[in-house]
Amino acid sequence: AQKITQTQPGMFVQEKEAVTLDCTYDTSDPSYGLFWYKQPSSGEMIFLIYQGSYDQQNATEGRYSLNFQKARKSANLVISASQLGDSAMYFCAMRGIQFYFGTGTSLTVIP
Amino acid sequence: DAGITQSPRHKVTETGTPVTLRCHQTENHRYMYWYRQDPGHGLRLIHYSYGVKDTDKGEVSDGYSVSRSKTEDFLLTLESATSSQTSVYFCAISDFWRRYHLGYTFGSGTRLTVV
Repeated sequence: AQKITQTQPGMFVQEKEAVTLDCTYDTSDPSYGLFWYKQPSSGEMIFLIYQGSYDQQNATEGRYSLNFQKARKSANLVISASQLGDSAMYFCAMRGIQFYFGTGTSLTVIP
Repeated sequence: DAGITQSPRHKVTETGTPVTLRCHQTENHRYMYWYRQDPGHGLRLIHYSYGVKDTDKGEVSDGYSVSRSKTEDFLLTLESATSSQTSVYFCAISDFWRRYHLGYTFGSGTRLTVV
């Protein structure tokens, strides 16, 4: 069975600081994709970053990077230089035929 | 520029009444999905479709049915709504292989309250 675990229900970070949101996964499939989505208070789901299981390099998208440790089955999201607009819910997800989502981490950026 | 729309955006209904939520896409994607979002549970798959008239159950399908008679429309029906079905419902679409790395495109969500 495939599973995504996010163990941090809530996180706080000072503006301009970096923050790491944890995500571990479990799958027996050799090929899979890992995603992070952001959900602001307005409710929409916004795609942030993708990491393929065979990718050699950690994915980066602007201030977002994915710390992919395959042997540990972890795919942590790192947000550098946090901004007030980063305050949102963040979901880790793994893709097979369907997506499996974690329970989310609520990030609050403090001015 | 949304290629996926959900209707209605908000609905309040009474226990025991049938409810249908609609998802409409203009992207011609083969895969369509219905998820529900609840605090502490993240997003959980209700049903999904991999083509016209081709659907399958997700992990929380009890009490829900779906239909897809056209590529662009995927309907979610609560045959007899219960208070436990109060939730935010998201539709998502996927091109799956051709744009695998882009994941899903989500609709804006439908907030359903069953009283």
